[in-house]
Amino acid sequence: DQQVKQNSPSLSVQEGRISILNCDYTNSMFDYFLWYKKYPAEGPTFLISISSIKDKNEDGRFTVFLNKSAKHLSLHIVPSQPGDSAVYFCAASARNAGNMLTFGGGTRLMVKP
Amino acid sequence: EPEVTQTPSHQVTQMGQEVILRCVPISNHLYFYWYRQILGQKVEFLVSFYNNEISEKSEIFDDQFSVERPDGSNFTLKIRSTKLEDSAMYFCASKGTSVDNEQFFGPGTRLTVL
Repeated sequence: DQQVKQNSPSLSVQEGRISILNCDYTNSMFDYFLWYKKYPAEGPTFLISISSIKDKNEDGRFTVFLNKSAKHLSLHIVPSQPGDSAVYFCAASARNAGNMLTFGGGTRLMVKP
Repeated sequence: EPEVTQTPSHQVTQMGQEVILRCVPISNHLYFYWYRQILGQKVEFLVSFYNNEISEKSEIFDDQFSVERPDGSNFTLKIRSTKLEDSAMYFCASKGTSVDNEQFFGPGTRLTVL
């Protein structure tokens, strides 16, 4: 099942720089997209989300961009901090499918001091 | 801040045994979910539950699995006869209303089937 894909398994950035995490999806029925952050031995923590009627949503250092025509979304973190080091999951849901989340495989972000 | 809790944090069982994983969702939430993550794989949806019944389930959620909300606070996942391939992290999640989209996850239960 490759409905949601995160093609980069890992990303390394310098503290203070921008981190860009990417996510692609194939199911055009998805109408809501979410980013979760996960530390080892913990559950996913909700970060930020975006509805399909928008193309951008911002919350502090985190911004999510949605390109519906390309079925692509990205999460920008600026400035990146060492505490941001974690695995980031993109997830998508469709209101007509009970809002179950379909997850990507995750990208491990490492922010170097 | 309200949070989803899960017990136990780690469960070890013998193949063929029954296990019950417990979750306490956020108190005013109405929608409940179970997901699992096999080591090295994606987080996968198992089942959603609303108004005391299953609303959606995946093909993983076969007759060996069942869910229950026995007392208005706990939400449980039962695996009737565990198999080796059931070894995974099991995450419970909840969300508030039908309008909300964000699901809030518990810390997970690591199930090891020997």
